[in-house]
Amino acid sequence: DIQMTQSPSSVSASVGDRVTFTCRASEGISTWLAWYQQKPGRAPKLLIYAASRLQSGVPSRFSGSGSGTDFTLTISSLQPEDFATYYCQQAFTFPRSFGQGTKLEIK
Amino acid sequence: QVQLQESGPGLVRPSQTLSLTCTVSGGSISTTDYYWSWIRHHPGKGLEWIGYIYYSGSAYYNPSLKSRVAMSVDTSKDQFSLNLNSVTAADTAVYYCARDAPYGLHAFDIWGQGTVVTVSS
Repeated sequence: DIQMTQSPSSVSASVGDRVTFTCRASEGISTWLAWYQQKPGRAPKLLIYAASRLQSGVPSRFSGSGSGTDFTLTISSLQPEDFATYYCQQAFTFPRSFGQGTKLEIK
Repeated sequence: QVQLQESGPGLVRPSQTLSLTCTVSGGSISTTDYYWSWIRHHPGKGLEWIGYIYYSGSAYYNPSLKSRVAMSVDTSKDQFSLNLNSVTAADTAVYYCARDAPYGLHAFDIWGQGTVVTVSS
């Protein structure tokens, strides 16, 4: 099975900041990686698919990059509604697997 | 637009079987484009993929749960279901159904709202 590791596990930032999250796969997954945002009591929401493609309706301040084993999610200018937990997920093979999440908190 | 909705008991006794149903509305489950998945979120932990079922009835389960999981599909009702037997407190979680687009987005693009299942006597 492919293991997904996210770092950091939590980060504090302020509105307007630029933040970057990292996700690493235990083996190469090409660009078959997705990013999700989850707020308390809500289902995860798809932000990015195929490593860098923005899901319809997602603000352009979100961007993704990477291939192989190393991936990043960047929020260019944090908005109040962005404080949430972010998960990466590999879609290269089954079983599907998720990272443990990065919690973005208000500084 | 397509929506998913989970339903089922919120409380299950230890050693019993957890049974949930996901209803697909706004579209048909009988499409070759998607897999229909179950995912759970343990309190304070990450997301765990349980498995998927295809409209034809073929399924793939996470090896970590394979011995206890069974999924089924009812195309006449646009529903798919999860059975997890011999549950313990470790199965307490929020359970989501989700649509997996393996040939397009390669991601879970639509999720149900989730249902809390507690395993307790």
